[in-house]
Amino acid sequence: NAGVTQTPKFRILKIGQSMTLQCAQDMNHNYMYWYRQDPGMGLKLIYYSVGAGITDKGEVPNGYNVSRSTTEDFPLRLELAAPSQTSVYFCASSSDGTGVSPVGPQHFGDGTRLSIL
Amino acid sequence: AQSVSQHNHHVILSEAASLELGCNYSYGGTVNLFWYVQYPGQHLQLLLKYFSGDPLVKGIKGFEAEFIKSKFSFNLRKPSVQWSDTAEYFCAVNAGGGFKTIFGAGTRLFVKA
Repeated sequence: NAGVTQTPKFRILKIGQSMTLQCAQDMNHNYMYWYRQDPGMGLKLIYYSVGAGITDKGEVPNGYNVSRSTTEDFPLRLELAAPSQTSVYFCASSSDGTGVSPVGPQHFGDGTRLSIL
Repeated sequence: AQSVSQHNHHVILSEAASLELGCNYSYGGTVNLFWYVQYPGQHLQLLLKYFSGDPLVKGIKGFEAEFIKSKFSFNLRKPSVQWSDTAEYFCAVNAGGGFKTIFGAGTRLFVKA
């Protein structure tokens, strides 16, 4: 069972470079999310999507962009990398809810550890 | 703004001790509540969830949590911890029927063998 797959697992970027973090899920989930995890800060939502072609900003979207052309894929793009974007990035997906909740529990990928130097 | 507070950032226990991790949220309407666990070097995994019904919910690995609506709390408990419970625990809240889930800052638990 693949679940949520993130690539790459580690990456070092120079300031000003750009890159795309890949995320794919094989559970046919409509909802997908990107979080960043910083020590002592928990998870902060960057962007989320409720279905193909529909994305919206989370708590900390500045410096990032997303697209959702298919149900399976939800890439996160950093256009001009800055040291403040050094973090661990997690992608997650969830199914539709069961009536009392609009969304089910989230399934997380293994994360991408990104350093900006 | 909605928020989730986890009272303890670090907890150290000996094996067989009882565990209670606090979680409070700030939202007055309908909520869905979750506890996730992150073992060292791994991704977050669901421990348990509350959507409705019995406020005492049981999850995997002997964990349970109690939803107390009047206190806006969803504390996690385990009667007897094991060394393998060493991990970081996150409380999360999905509020008002929306699509966003807000996570607490996490509590790092270290269990001494």
